[in-house]
Amino acid sequence: KQEVTQIPAALSVPEGENLVLNCSFTDSAIYNLQWFRQDPGKGLTSLLLIQSSQREQTSGRLNASLDKSSGRSTLYIAASQPGDSATYLCAVGRGYGGSQGNLIFGKGTKLSVKP
Amino acid sequence: NAGVTQTPKFQVLKTGQSMTLQCAQDMNHEYMSWYRQDPGMGLRLIHYSVGAGITDQGEVPNGYNVSRSTTEDFPLRLLSAAPSQTSVYFCASNPGLIGSPLHFGNGTRLTVT
Repeated sequence: KQEVTQIPAALSVPEGENLVLNCSFTDSAIYNLQWFRQDPGKGLTSLLLIQSSQREQTSGRLNASLDKSSGRSTLYIAASQPGDSATYLCAVGRGYGGSQGNLIFGKGTKLSVKP
Repeated sequence: NAGVTQTPKFQVLKTGQSMTLQCAQDMNHEYMSWYRQDPGMGLRLIHYSVGAGITDQGEVPNGYNVSRSTTEDFPLRLLSAAPSQTSVYFCASNPGLIGSPLHFGNGTRLTVT
């Protein structure tokens, strides 16, 4: 059974610091890996999606990497800002019934960026 | 463009009551799904649909029922609410294309007493 683990569970950094969030998964047979952001009381917002054939994706100050063979992904946030404070969720598309939309989530990393 | 809309935002039920959580999307997405989010558990898939008239079970389907009569709507029915169903419920959709991310609604917070 696929399991997704995110470490650390919580992280506090000063503004301006570069940081890395980690995600690991137990079964390398995935369709894709997605990183989401969740603000308190809100839904999830997709940040980056990496297809299983890709190694990384970038969007602005965010860079996500994927190493299927080792079952790991990292989300790199450059020059962190207080507005980056949120919970970051990693999810792998494993596909109940073959659907790539069916995701298995980690429990998230709660990030706090201090001014 | 409203995206994925969930109603209600909050709901309190007594044990044994039934209710329907509503989800609608205006993006003509073929795929829709329901997740529940519990503290310390992460999000877990309840039911999903790959198109109108087609539904299937996810990881935790017991106690829930779904139907998909139109592309836009995917309601989740609680048949007889139990305290274990206290959770935050999220509806999500995507167009079903390779590389397309999930779009989530803002959730329904349900408490069963």
